[in-house]
Amino acid sequence: DTGVSQNPRHKITKRGQNVTFRCDPISEHNRLYWYRQTLGQGPEFLTYFQNEAQLEKSRLLSDRFSAERPKGSFSTLEIQRTEQGDSAMYLCASSFKGLAVRETQYFGPGTRLLVL
Amino acid sequence: DQQVKQNSPSLSVQEGRISILNCDYTNSMFDYFLWYKKYPAEGPTFLISISSIKDKNEDGRFTVFLNKSAKHLSLHIVPSQPGDSAVYFCAASAGGNQFYFGTGTSLTVIP
Repeated sequence: DTGVSQNPRHKITKRGQNVTFRCDPISEHNRLYWYRQTLGQGPEFLTYFQNEAQLEKSRLLSDRFSAERPKGSFSTLEIQRTEQGDSAMYLCASSFKGLAVRETQYFGPGTRLLVL
Repeated sequence: DQQVKQNSPSLSVQEGRISILNCDYTNSMFDYFLWYKKYPAEGPTFLISISSIKDKNEDGRFTVFLNKSAKHLSLHIVPSQPGDSAVYFCAASAGGNQFYFGTGTSLTVIP
């Protein structure tokens, strides 16, 4: 399977704990995006990387959230001191951005987080 | 501020008929639009896209129409099949960095 993969698929944690999610993009893709989706809403942009550089962060991304893509391949999203409002589906997407190539994002299956 | 809006949360269509899903946007700088389909417990799957230099793009049973003056796009599915039942999201970007998604329309195709 050469699609985008995310681990874990589900995570239940207690309020105040830290959690970390991993995303493995399609191998030749240079861009990687993180989104959050809550019930009845579309995916909301959190941040994106081009190779290993984090180029943009949404104001939704509080200082409790941090994302890395250390070698320009897989990425991790960490949430510190989780709150009940962090409960959501966290989606990762990857794409190839080239000079003459229109970008299409391909999504992973998501990690569903429940904060008790 | 919701820059991409899908005002119909749900739509039911008889199998074999046309499904029309609508999307409106507010940002005139958007120049690339996409439709995604999402089944429960899965991530969104890319369906079809259109650049702002076109007003129509077709791929099999799926056609996307873009009306820039009205800031409106629509997805037509003909003929609709039960396997098309899913949530459909439209998305838009300006210059291809951040993508903005609508809230989705749940399509049910009745056999």
